[in-house]
Amino acid sequence: KAGVTQTPRYLIKTRGQQVTLSCSPISGHRSVSWYQQTPGQGLQFLFEYFSETQRNKGNFPGRFSGRQFSNSRSEMNVSTLELGDSALYLCASPRRGGMYSNQPQHFGDGTRLSIL
Amino acid sequence: QKEVEQDPGPLSVPEGAIVSLNCTYSNSAFQYFMWYRQYSRKGPELLMYTYSSGNKEDGRFTAQVDKSSKYISLFIRDSQPSDSATYLCAMSETGGGNKLTFGTGTQLKVEL
Repeated sequence: KAGVTQTPRYLIKTRGQQVTLSCSPISGHRSVSWYQQTPGQGLQFLFEYFSETQRNKGNFPGRFSGRQFSNSRSEMNVSTLELGDSALYLCASPRRGGMYSNQPQHFGDGTRLSIL
Repeated sequence: QKEVEQDPGPLSVPEGAIVSLNCTYSNSAFQYFMWYRQYSRKGPELLMYTYSSGNKEDGRFTAQVDKSSKYISLFIRDSQPSDSATYLCAMSETGGGNKLTFGTGTQLKVEL
């Protein structure tokens, strides 16, 4: 069973640009979550999608958005990039497929986004 | 104040030592508890998952949960240099979907 795949691994952008990150969850799993990891704030939850619908959302500004496709692949978009958006962005898929909640999550290796 | 507090370390121990990593939390709604290990430039890797107070053992790892004190621990026996990593506690609340709230992580170094 393939794990969580994120692309690209590294990305460099400048302030004011926008960026789109991609995630393929564990094959057949309909839930995908996104997290931001920074040295100062640690790992923070961005949002969760289940069957193309946002099921949960963290405390991030509206510049952060996401979507999920019918094949469960997900994208995360950040508009009007700021220096503080430099972070490792992680995607996660629950251990079990289906609509179960409170599942332990399996993470991809992330996309390292650097803002110049 | 953060919902989950974790001593950031760094923690340095000799090979073979028993390591104790701890987290405290303030949200009584947290009912599910996890420990992750993260190596540099990699995503977090799930080590332990539990949802009840008490101990759970898996090989050299033991997870302990005390809901009355809002305190969780991870013990690593016979620590190895390969255990050198950042350890993150995480928890979720009933009705919160699959949202995890993390501690800030403890950096561990096991020396030869």
